[in-house]
Amino acid sequence: GAGVSQTPSNKVTEKGKYVELRCDPISGHTALYWYRQSLGQGPEFLIYFQGTGAADDSGLPNDRFFAVRPEGSVSTLKIQRTERGDSAVYLCASSPFRREVDTGELFFGEGSRLTVL
Amino acid sequence: AQKITQTQPGMFVQEKEAVTLDCTYDTSDPSYGLFWYKQPSSGEMIFLIYQGSYDQQNATEGRYSLNFQKARKSANLVISASQLGDSAMYFCAMNSNTGFQKLVFGTGTRLLVSP
Repeated sequence: GAGVSQTPSNKVTEKGKYVELRCDPISGHTALYWYRQSLGQGPEFLIYFQGTGAADDSGLPNDRFFAVRPEGSVSTLKIQRTERGDSAVYLCASSPFRREVDTGELFFGEGSRLTVL
Repeated sequence: AQKITQTQPGMFVQEKEAVTLDCTYDTSDPSYGLFWYKQPSSGEMIFLIYQGSYDQQNATEGRYSLNFQKARKSANLVISASQLGDSAMYFCAMNSNTGFQKLVFGTGTRLLVSP
């Protein structure tokens, strides 16, 4: 399809395990974002990539969280030693280009629901 | 720090009627953007409308309009002629004009449209 694709759509894991969440943005979109949405809350910013580099990772909650985008397209969010508090929907979004004054929309995927038991 | 407040957890409206979803914000940034996103049950966030802090006119996109009152720091969404498909969560968000979309979201309002 032409939209942002996220896999897996659902992931159940045990406390302490390692998890990878994948995002395939819209072709040609240079900007890629990860957000996290806990139950009953709005999404919270995690990290922003422009091309291959993480331009802003100030939203990552701690050093258990890491994200990569090695070729400037697909991105992987990696969570080590998962905790129950990591349970949430992880949303990926992309946008076509970076403007000086950003009026553009973000195109979101349907998210990866992570449950840590 | 920026903050978005949405005080209506849920709203009901009859089909074909208009509805206003409230949003207030707080920021010390001189330049910022305000957004509304719709989240249906499938989970993806769908962009609806954008208002820049220096825009003189209220933004409109089809049946959506943003009632921007800068002095009151409010950015309410007005949906005219509601449709059953409008039933969803609605999130107000803002960013600084940094050149990218580091959005701060509110907690959302669930809108139910009845026949």
